[in-house]
Amino acid sequence: DAKTTQPTSMDCAEGRAANLPCNHSTISGNEYVYWYRQIHSQGPQYIIHGLKNNETNEMASLIITEDRKSSTLILPHATLRDTAVYYCIVMTTDSWGKFQFGAGTQVVVTP
Amino acid sequence: GAVVSQHPSWVICKSGTSVKIECRSLDFQATTMFWYRQFPKQSLMLMATSNEGSKATYEQGVEKDKFLINHASLTLSTLTVTSAHPEDSSFYICSAAGGRLGNTEAFFGQGTRLTVV
Repeated sequence: DAKTTQPTSMDCAEGRAANLPCNHSTISGNEYVYWYRQIHSQGPQYIIHGLKNNETNEMASLIITEDRKSSTLILPHATLRDTAVYYCIVMTTDSWGKFQFGAGTQVVVTP
Repeated sequence: GAVVSQHPSWVICKSGTSVKIECRSLDFQATTMFWYRQFPKQSLMLMATSNEGSKATYEQGVEKDKFLINHASLTLSTLTVTSAHPEDSSFYICSAAGGRLGNTEAFFGQGTRLTVV
């Protein structure tokens, strides 16, 4: 069973912020939230991860709700190259690397 | 980020032959490598976990005698698809974790497109 729920698809205008939601209502205390994306016919690319605090790096920001049951990935200024499938994954360091990918969100950035 | 390289990027083989795919961590030592398979319009499915120097652990439903995994060094893991059939045609992707990455990051190779004819 999928541990996360994401919208199937979303469109975003180039230059605007893209906000990608993810529900993980059954997340346990030692599970991290990870985001990866997969551009067509390539391997997944790491974006960001967090446990309970909000995180920001050069690619994106991750906002995790206080109860940790949901999170939002924010791409601050979407470009056409951000068109990809975005995966939200929860996992513990005990099972580190054994990603269980869901269907993800197909993001299409339009000019 | 760290670099994980797969070779070849694509391969076409005849039915009944075997194909070997290499996964290398180029700038770190990977204590654990993972192999995934992705069919068209589907998500990635974990096939197996390999730890350097030990036997791979396969996910349920993955035939270990068909998909041979070797992780002989901290920078190289290989997946051999034996007696390949057209239904084995897929996108195979490896990922690597551990070493200086610790237990919080993993990086993926670019994938290998296998077509069995």
